[in-house]
Amino acid sequence: AQSVTQLDSHVSVSEGTPVLLRCNYSSSYSPSLFWYVQHPNKGLQLLLKYTSAATLVKGINGFEAEFKKSETSFHLTKPSAHMSDAAEYFCVVSDRDTGFQKLVFGTGTRLLVSP
Amino acid sequence: DGGITQSPKYLFRKEGQNVTLSCEQNLNHDAMYWYRQDPGQGLRLIYYSQIVNDFQKGDIAEGYSVSREKKESFPLTVTSAQKNPTAFYLCASSTRQVTNTEAFFGQGTRLTVV
Repeated sequence: AQSVTQLDSHVSVSEGTPVLLRCNYSSSYSPSLFWYVQHPNKGLQLLLKYTSAATLVKGINGFEAEFKKSETSFHLTKPSAHMSDAAEYFCVVSDRDTGFQKLVFGTGTRLLVSP
Repeated sequence: DGGITQSPKYLFRKEGQNVTLSCEQNLNHDAMYWYRQDPGQGLRLIYYSQIVNDFQKGDIAEGYSVSREKKESFPLTVTSAQKNPTAFYLCASSTRQVTNTEAFFGQGTRLTVV
């Protein structure tokens, strides 16, 4: 079975500084990987997805992530944090063991942005 | 606008009662999912359905039931057998494509046992 580990439960940054949210995955084959964002009491919105094409994936709102097979990582970055980026972020891997794509979620990282 | 609608947004249940959470989508997606979210645990899959009139148990199906009589609708019933139902419930849908498929989420229903 596939799994993801989000290494930090909380990350605090100041507005205008870089953001790094870390994610490591476990997969027995080439995975599909996603980052979703959730604002309080809301549903999840897709930020970006890795589909085995380019290893550097650009998403919405200035976020990007780099797929590194040798490190089994898919870290999410943004050059400059904005107050509106404060939310919970989920790294997700697809599990195809059953012949059906089932999304497996990490435990989430809460991003706090201070003025 | 295409999307997924969950209702109600907030739901209160008394001990021993069954309650049903609604999920409707107009994205023409074959696959639909129910997830439960608890603080610090991410999202856990309750049930999923690949096509009308078919559904499968996820990782934490005990105490829950679903139906899929229409492509657009995938209601979740939280039964009295679910011992700890207080949580945030999210419905999602996607195409049936095996790889690289993103899921679209509703806004969630927060269920509280009183």
